[in-house]
Formats: sequence, C-alpha cells, structure tokens
Amino acid sequence: DGGITQSPKYLFRKEGQNVTLSCEQNLNHDAMYWYRQDPGQGLRLIYYSQIVNDFQKGDIAEGYSVSREKKESFPLTVTSAQKNPTAFYLCASNGGSMTEAFFGQGTRLTVV
Amino acid sequence: GESVGLHLPTLSVQEGDNSIINCAYSNSASDYFIWYKQESGKGPQFIIDIRSNMDKRQGQRVTVLLNKTVKHLSLQIAATQPGDSAVYFCAENIGSGGSYIPTFGRGTSLIVHP
Repeated sequence: DGGITQSPKYLFRKEGQNVTLSCEQNLNHDAMYWYRQDPGQGLRLIYYSQIVNDFQKGDIAEGYSVSREKKESFPLTVTSAQKNPTAFYLCASNGGSMTEAFFGQGTRLTVV
Repeated sequence: GESVGLHLPTLSVQEGDNSIINCAYSNSASDYFIWYKQESGKGPQFIIDIRSNMDKRQGQRVTVLLNKTVKHLSLQIAATQPGDSAVYFCAENIGSGGSYIPTFGRGTSLIVHP
C-alpha cells in the first residue's frame, strides 16, 4: 500500500539537543511538507520541498532544518535553537496543485 | 495576510442530526479547496474536495458547498455518527512562487453525543 510514514511516534528531547524526525513516502509525490500543530490549534507550515535538492522556508522555519536528498525522504531536524519545540509534527505530501495532501501519523515531540 | 479561517471552534450535535461546519477564506485567487478530518493523535485525512468552478460536491454522507461571492465554504455531514467526532479543517492550496501550498484554517471540533 502507498502511504507516508513518520517515525518515531513519540520522541523526547533534552534541553540543548538536536533531534531528527523521519518522513518517508512511496506515493511518488514531488512535493513534501512539514507542519507543526500545537494543542487546539491548526497546522503551521515549517518547511516545504517541491523537488529533490530544493526546499523553502514556511511560516515558522526558525529553529528547524530539513534536507531533500531523495524524492521519498524529507527529514526534519529540530535544533537547539528552537526554544519551544514541544508539539505534534506532521509530514505531508501531494502530487500537484489540484490534489489533496496525504499525511503521516505524526510525531509527538516533548522536551524533558 | 490572506488566510483560511473557521467561524466556530466547537460544534456539538446529537447522533443522527445533520452537522454543518463553516469556513471563510480570503484568497480570492484560490481555486482548490479541501476538507480534512483529524482524529485525536492522528494525522488529518482527506474527506472531500471542490474546485472553484463548482458550487457543490457530494460524497458519501458529506457535501461541500462553495460560495465564491462571499468566499465561504461549508461541510455538511448527514446523519452524524459518534465516529464522526473529530476536528475538521478546511484548507486551500495557495500559490507561492510556482508552488501550491496546502494552507489550513484553525479547525472545528465536532462532538457527537449518542
């Protein structure tokens, strides 16, 4: 079955650590996205990539970094510069301007 | 800035009633809209979409209405069931430098009472 997979489901980070969230898709989609969701809130765009080896900042990119070395993979690193990283992180992909986004099951990141 | 937003953050209904969730959008250039359902602790799932050249689209128990004159979108769920309890988001793919970014409103929490 085609889909988008995020791992891990739960992640704990100590103060000052960088952590990387994985996102893999086998839908052959060019476009991939990372969103952050806080309790009771909508989805805010962190980074997006429309093609391999290219990515763009979203609305809240500070303290995050990404790479897009392969079409299937779009990992997100939450750096120590992100002062409030506790949130639910969602990865998505879509196949064009008139298509819906497919989401992974999310990673819940908690700072301990 | 231009954004997608929702009128009501929470909607409570009785099982079997029809539910209507509303959404206002401000980007008059948008031509593709989507409704997603998000259950607790999970990623959003596609429900139904509509293009700007349409006023209405029906799916199984769901109908989306688009009023371009007042920039309003609604999701109607017929015979609401407890399994419909979730947060519902409207979204639009907003053009930005040749890309079309899924952009989400705040969401409405639908609570279905048995």
